Amino acid sequence: AQSVTQLGSHVSVSEGALVLLRCNYSSSVPPYLFWYVQYPNQGLQLLLKYTTGATLVKGINGFEAEFKKSETSFHLTKPSAHMSDAAEYFCAVSERDNDMRFGAGTRLTVKP
Amino acid sequence: NAGVTQTPKFQVLKTGQSMTLQCAQDMNHNSMYWYRQDPGMGLRLIYYSASEGTTDKGEVPNGYNVSRLNKREFSLRLESAAPSQTSVYFCASTTNMRVTDTQYFGPGTRLTVL
Repeated sequence: AQSVTQLGSHVSVSEGALVLLRCNYSSSVPPYLFWYVQYPNQGLQLLLKYTTGATLVKGINGFEAEFKKSETSFHLTKPSAHMSDAAEYFCAVSERDNDMRFGAGTRLTVKP
Repeated sequence: NAGVTQTPKFQVLKTGQSMTLQCAQDMNHNSMYWYRQDPGMGLRLIYYSASEGTTDKGEVPNGYNVSRLNKREFSLRLESAAPSQTSVYFCASTTNMRVTDTQYFGPGTRLTVL
């Protein structure tokens, strides 16, 4: 079955600095890949997703992620962190309908 | 447009008690899901409903039952709660079951079983 590993349960950056959240996956077939964000006491919200086509995917709030098949990675980046980006971020992989597997999450802290 | 709503927001149960978590969506979605979220783990799928009148097991269904009451509502029942069911429970809905469809999540129910 497919699985996801998120490297780093906590990441801390300064406001204005680059945000890089790492995600590696394993899948026996071409995967669908997702990043979700969870703000405190809220449900998950989709940031972006890769299905087919262009490997660089742009999402909401200035985030983007690149699908690298050779590295089995789907890292999330944002050029300049904002205080409002502080949240927990989940990477997820799916090979087929009704079978999405989530990573353990990375908590992002943004320092002023 | 409220999206996906869940009740209650918080609940404390004693071992062996039963309860039902309620979920409703007003987006006219066909498909609905129940997940649990535990510390250090991602969300895990408990049950899903592809459409009104159908339900199927997900990754961790043991100890739970579900009912798709109508197109809007999908409830999760714990018949005899156990401490291992202490978790945050999320309901989600999508237009259909396609993997590419965006899932919309409710705010969650925090359940503690003593």
